[in-house]
Amino acid sequence: EVQLVESGGGLVQPGRSLKLSCLASGFTFSNYGMNWIRQAPGKGLEWVASISSSSSYIYYADTVKGRFTISRDNAKNTLYLQMTSLRSEDTALYYCARQAGYFDYWGQGVMVTVSS
Amino acid sequence: DIQMTQSPASLSASLGETVSIECLASEDIYNNLAWYQQKPGKSPQLLIYYASSLQDGVPSRFSGSGSGTQYSLKINSLESEDAATYFCLQDSEYPPTFGGGTKLELK
Repeated sequence: EVQLVESGGGLVQPGRSLKLSCLASGFTFSNYGMNWIRQAPGKGLEWVASISSSSSYIYYADTVKGRFTISRDNAKNTLYLQMTSLRSEDTALYYCARQAGYFDYWGQGVMVTVSS
Repeated sequence: DIQMTQSPASLSASLGETVSIECLASEDIYNNLAWYQQKPGKSPQLLIYYASSLQDGVPSRFSGSGSGTQYSLKINSLESEDAATYFCLQDSEYPPTFGGGTKLELK
């Protein structure tokens, strides 16, 4: 069974940093591209970042480019999102999702709240 | 960026009815369109990919169609468990973009 479990969220002040993790199981992690997608409270879905299976290709949404870094450790079956210079508009539920072109499996999400 | 315009934003229907939800892309997305169902407090679940392929385990009352810039999700014989918000996603090119969502309420 494919499982994606996010962690690392919480309350953080504007301008500070936070690192999210997503532990994958139930599939060969190193064979799949992975993504972070977020959903602000009561809002729709926004793709944040994508990383290919071997980390050769990385893409970011314009809203986070230069502030967020996606990475992965295939030996640990773990996806990361390092978030810096956080803003109030980054407040959202962050999902990791497996990529098969489309996003076929999603984690349960981890909440990030940016507030003073 | 490709814009995805989803309609309607909300929908109310009765058990057993058939409903359709539309997504219009700002340019041709070559059937690279997926549909998701999201229930409150849950993560999105994939229903349809490549515009019309049914994800394993999804009931056959869900179907997708379309081409070019126009796509639709059809739900036949509505059941109570179908009350949810539905999103479309284009993954034809980066950045992937979502429709604004359709909240389906069962009367």
